[in-house]
Amino acid sequence: DGGITQSPKYLFRKEGQNVTLSCEQNLNHDAMYWYRQDPGQGLRLIYYSQIVNDFQKGDIAEGYSVSREKKESFPLTVTSAQKNPTAFYLCASSIADTQSYEQYFGPGTRLTVT
Amino acid sequence: GQSLEQPSEVTAVEGAIVQINCTYQTSGFYGLSWYQQHDGGAPTFLSYNALDGLEETGRFSSFLSRSDSYGYLLLQELQMKDSASYFCAVVDNYGQNFVFGPGTRLSVLP
Repeated sequence: DGGITQSPKYLFRKEGQNVTLSCEQNLNHDAMYWYRQDPGQGLRLIYYSQIVNDFQKGDIAEGYSVSREKKESFPLTVTSAQKNPTAFYLCASSIADTQSYEQYFGPGTRLTVT
Repeated sequence: GQSLEQPSEVTAVEGAIVQINCTYQTSGFYGLSWYQQHDGGAPTFLSYNALDGLEETGRFSSFLSRSDSYGYLLLQELQMKDSASYFCAVVDNYGQNFVFGPGTRLSVLP
């Protein structure tokens, strides 16, 4: 089955620690994205990558970092510089389909920092 | 800046028709997408409009007016399983950037 996996589903960390969220896809998609969703809110773009070894900042990149060493993988690190890291994090991927620009989302990781 | 507006909540009964509106102000615009998200779940793609007019996919239809910076999602023959949040999203910069609206929570009553 093709899809996007994110792990873990729930993650708990102490304030001041960096934490890395995993995102893997076997859809052979070139583009991958990271979003943050706060309760009752829409999705906000953190970072995106259109190709291996290249990525761009989204609207709320401060306090986050990413890497794209393989087409299938796009891990997100939430650093201690992120002031309010507790949120639901969603990873997505898409092909360069100009007919729909459909994004496929993973199940998400719910991060709680105390 | 970029901003999208949607009603925060809509309530309807099973079998009814409901329309969820979306207005947008963005620096770039390539098209408008709609996504459905059930509580605790991941968003799933519903539709995409690049040109003015109505796109129909089963019980769901989506409309776009580029001149009015306005679109809507129309859900027909509502079912209980349609209770979810619905997000419009502007696609810009040839699909490199997506800006999501705040979402509309739809409650379908028996």
